[in-house]
Amino acid sequence: KNEVEQSPQNLTAQEGEFITINCSYSVGISALHWLQQHPGGGIVSLFMLSSGKKKHGRLIATINIQEKHSSLHITASHPRDSAVYICAVASNFGNEKLTFGTGTRLTIIP
Amino acid sequence: DVKVTQSSRYLVKRTGEKVFLECVQDMDHENMFWYRQDPGLGLRLIYFSYDVKMKEKGDIPEGYSVSREKKERFSLILESASTNQTSMYLCASSLPRQGRTDTQYFGPGTRLTVL
Repeated sequence: KNEVEQSPQNLTAQEGEFITINCSYSVGISALHWLQQHPGGGIVSLFMLSSGKKKHGRLIATINIQEKHSSLHITASHPRDSAVYICAVASNFGNEKLTFGTGTRLTIIP
Repeated sequence: DVKVTQSSRYLVKRTGEKVFLECVQDMDHENMFWYRQDPGLGLRLIYFSYDVKMKEKGDIPEGYSVSREKKERFSLILESASTNQTSMYLCASSLPRQGRTDTQYFGPGTRLTVL
């Protein structure tokens, strides 16, 4: 079993829909990251969180430490949100390394 | 803005060749990372450096070495390229946070094909 599991693997939705991507992990963590990768390869960090909830524009990330679960939500989705979304966790052993999920491929249809 | 650049976007090499992938960051970050990304496997850490001349093995270091002679530059070396090293290679950098994680800034990636 992978330490970081994402669901769904692929998601197709209509423009305007509310999107939820889930991430579950099995180890104790110091922080969880959400990343976005557009076609062509570049990866951008969206959020780093260790508790509660963060919001940036139409993106919202939540984490439940007790349940070892995080969600990334996109409100009023747009075709430019089409990308691969990757969850990554940093263990609580005090180092800089991340363990990555395999990503969720999101396609928003106009 | 942090900028992380990689020497090539696409590279084609032959089996047995020595391959150098270069990564440069312009924000004085102590930490630098090399990952490979393969379909269905996600990003996997090859090597990590937390200071000049310092390096630490990641999850899949076999067949790779690294060099960090200057703070801004982190090189990944494939001593003798093999077909199973065909992959997307991504470099990243971050500030240290007293041994804890911080936001990593990624380069655009190098898609390496070994024939």
